[in-house]
Amino acid sequence: EDQVTQSPEALRLQEGESSSLNCSYTVSGLRGLFWYRQDPGKGPEFLFTLYSAGEEKEKERLKATLTKKESFLHITAPKPEDSATYLCAVQARQGAQKLVFGQGTRLTINP
Amino acid sequence: GAVVSQHPSWVICKSGTSVKIECRSLDFQATTMFWYRQFPKQSLMLMATSNEGSKATYEQGVEKDKFLINHASLTLSTLTVTSAHPEDSSFYICSARRDRGYGYTFGSGTRLTVV
Repeated sequence: EDQVTQSPEALRLQEGESSSLNCSYTVSGLRGLFWYRQDPGKGPEFLFTLYSAGEEKEKERLKATLTKKESFLHITAPKPEDSATYLCAVQARQGAQKLVFGQGTRLTINP
Repeated sequence: GAVVSQHPSWVICKSGTSVKIECRSLDFQATTMFWYRQFPKQSLMLMATSNEGSKATYEQGVEKDKFLINHASLTLSTLTVTSAHPEDSSFYICSARRDRGYGYTFGSGTRLTVV
């Protein structure tokens, strides 16, 4: 069964304090790994899609990386507006188009 | 591009009544739409997948007679919660996809409260 585990569950940082969020996955064959940002009471907002081990993508203060077993979302010099829940999801190569989500990491950046 | 509009953003209904939630892809044709449910501080749980013109495929444990999904056109899918009860109170989110090889775009969600 496809599984996604995110850690930590919650993370508090000071403004400017860089860190990384982890997404470990078990899937029959990875078609794509997705990172989303979700603000309270809103739907997920797309950040990145990664397709193969070794791939990296960047957007402003965020950088996503992928290995055969896990993905990291690195946040460099975060600002309070980066506070949100970050969700990781995988799409398996086999089967339907559905995404399997992890539990998310609630990130809080204190000014 | 790739905008999904979901309405209403919140709704309160009485126990025993039905409520309909709409999900529209505004600038693309969505061959596949997905409906999720999210409880407070929990992740998204897929309820069903629908393809335009076909019956929805429900995930295990989701009552298809209670959560009616219609995907009658390439830009509109609806979720109807029938005979709602307080335990159906939750945050419902739709997602749409143009075709295989494209990403998934999410709606802004609907907060349903059943009193």
